[in-house]
Amino acid sequence: AQSVTQLDSQVPVFEEAPVELRCNYSSSVSVYLFWYVQYPNQGLQLLLKYLSGSTLVKGINGFEAEFNKSQTSFHLRKPSVHISDTAEYFCAAFSSNTGKLIFGQGTTLQVKP
Amino acid sequence: GAVVSQHPSRVICKSGTSVKIECRSLDFQATTMFWYRQFPKQSLMLMATSNEGSKATYEQGVEKDKFLINHASLTLSTLTVTSAHPEDSSFYICSAREISGGAQFFGPGTRLTVL
Repeated sequence: AQSVTQLDSQVPVFEEAPVELRCNYSSSVSVYLFWYVQYPNQGLQLLLKYLSGSTLVKGINGFEAEFNKSQTSFHLRKPSVHISDTAEYFCAAFSSNTGKLIFGQGTTLQVKP
Repeated sequence: GAVVSQHPSRVICKSGTSVKIECRSLDFQATTMFWYRQFPKQSLMLMATSNEGSKATYEQGVEKDKFLINHASLTLSTLTVTSAHPEDSSFYICSAREISGGAQFFGPGTRLTVL
């Protein structure tokens, strides 16, 4: 079955610490992968995307993600987080079979002072 | 990135009335738009896929007669919640994909509260 799994529902971290949000996808989906951020009562904002090419993808707000085909992972990282990074983060994969995005369950990043 | 707008951002209505939500792609053309519903603390649930000039494709369990979708142009799709009831209260988010494919961009969402 096509699926995207975010392994952590909540990730608490102190300000200025590094963070990694984990995402695994099933090999049956295409390798068009995305990370979105959602602030409270707002829509989703695209952080970064992997369509092809370099496996290390840099996005907005200092985030980056690495596509790892052998491990079917697309983990999101930031070397030093800010309070303003507190939000919900969604990993998504595009299904070429259905033409739809498949979302993970979401990870709440809580940045503490 | 590309911008998708939604209007209204928040609406409160009485049970039995209909509510229309507009979704516009402001700086790109979108042959395909999507409507999602999001419950608190949950991921997005796809309701329907809207293709310009044709009928929308609804996901299983979504009533097409209750959630009317129109995609009249390459930059506008509308969702009308007909005869709204309190259980329709939710956060509705639209999304648009560029003609060239690639990323999908999301609107800011509409909070619907049915009294």
